[in-house]
Amino acid sequence: EAQVTQNPRYLITVTGKKLTVTCSQNMNHEYMSWYRQDPGLGLRQIYYSMNVEVTDKGDVPEGYKVSRKEKRNFPLILESPSPNQTSLYFCASSFHAGNQPQHFGDGTRLSIL
Amino acid sequence: DQQVKQNSPSLSVQEGRISILNCDYTNSMFDYFLWYKKYPAEGPTFLISISSIKDKNEDGRFTVFLNKSAKHLSLHIVPSQPGDSAVYFCAASPSIIQGAQKLVFGQGTRLTINP
Repeated sequence: EAQVTQNPRYLITVTGKKLTVTCSQNMNHEYMSWYRQDPGLGLRQIYYSMNVEVTDKGDVPEGYKVSRKEKRNFPLILESPSPNQTSLYFCASSFHAGNQPQHFGDGTRLSIL
Repeated sequence: DQQVKQNSPSLSVQEGRISILNCDYTNSMFDYFLWYKKYPAEGPTFLISISSIKDKNEDGRFTVFLNKSAKHLSLHIVPSQPGDSAVYFCAASPSIIQGAQKLVFGQGTRLTINP
């Protein structure tokens, strides 16, 4: 089954404790992206990757890191999480950037205390 | 600066009637527009899209209309069914030349279909 898988689905942690949210897709997609969803703001892009070893900032990259060492995986890293990073996070992928829809994972709800 | 706006946070429609969800955008470089549907505890799923060279795209009960001069698009669902109850996001991206890797979302509209 074609899918984007995120882990964990839920996480409660404390300020400053490094965490990683994994994202994996099995569709051989080149393009992957991370979004956060906050009330009243919709989804905002954090980082994206056009292909292996190619990543770039989205609209809200502060406090986040990503890596793309393999085509299928695109982890989101919070080196020193803060309460303002409490949010619902989505990973998405598509064959290429451009005029085509992205496939989304089911989301990761992070709570930073 | 919200480049894509969905001004109605919620909409309630009777089953069988037409649902109309609206979306406005400010960036004239947007070239491709999409609607996503989201159920609780799931990720957004793609519903329908339209390129800026068209003014209408239809897929079964779903039709998207694009008015470029007004920078406005709308999603029509007819007839509305209880399973259509979800949050709907409008999204837009610029052309590949302008940087199509950026997909900009609206705030979402919660649609409730009443039996």
